[in-house]
Amino acid sequence: EPEVTQTPSHQVTQMGQEVILHCVPISNHLYFYWYRQILGQKVEFLVSFYNNEISEKSEIFDDQFSVERPDGSNFTLKIRSTKLEDSAMYFCASSESSSGNTIYFGEGSWLTVV
Amino acid sequence: AQSVSQHNHHVILSEAASLELGCNYSYGGTVNLFWYVQYPGQHLQLLLKYFSGDPLVKGIKGFEAEFIKSKFSFNLRKPSVQWSDTAEYFCAVRGVGDDKIIFGKGTRLHILP
Repeated sequence: EPEVTQTPSHQVTQMGQEVILHCVPISNHLYFYWYRQILGQKVEFLVSFYNNEISEKSEIFDDQFSVERPDGSNFTLKIRSTKLEDSAMYFCASSESSSGNTIYFGEGSWLTVV
Repeated sequence: AQSVSQHNHHVILSEAASLELGCNYSYGGTVNLFWYVQYPGQHLQLLLKYFSGDPLVKGIKGFEAEFIKSKFSFNLRKPSVQWSDTAEYFCAVRGVGDDKIIFGKGTRLHILP
C-alpha cells in the first residue's frame, strides 16, 4: 500500500531555532495536511493545503508556522522560531480528494524543543 | 463547529473480553466517520471508515463500528480482544465537502494477557 513518508523521525532543537519537517505525500493525492499531537493529548489539526495554497488552518497555525510544496513531491512544515510548547509529534497526511476519501497519515516526526 | 467526543479515556480489559468504545460527534450535515488506531510508538493507521450505505462497517483485525445517525454515534466494537489490541483508538469525523478531519481525544485500551 502506498505510504506517506516523513523525515526526520526525531529532531531535537533549541528554543528559537527554525525547524523544517519534510513529508512526501502519496503520489496521486491532491490534499495535504499537517496535524500535531502533544504528548498525552489528542491529535490536532494544523493546516490543509490544496492547489498550492492553504485551504484551511487552525488557531494553532499562527504566523510562526508555514507550509510549502517546493516541488512536485515534497510538502514541508516550517516553524520559524520554536517554543518549548511546540514539542510534539507532527503528522503529515494526504488524501486523494476532500470528502469521500480516506486521509492517510505518515509515521510522524517527533520534535523536541529544549 | 465539528466536534468528536470519546467517552472512555482509558479502558482495561482481559483477553477475550468484548469491547465497545463510544464515539459521538457533532456536525450539522452529512459526515464521513473514521476510527484510527495508534499502536505504541507507531503512526495512525486506519481501522475502518463509514462514508455511506450499510451503517455497520467492518474493518481490519475483527473490528466493526455501527453508525447510528439518530444518536450521532459511531461506536467501535470487537467481540473478543487480544493482547495485541493494546493501543490508542481515535474516532474522527469529516464533514462532506470539508477538507480536514477532526479527532476525538482518544481512548487508551490496555489488554491484560
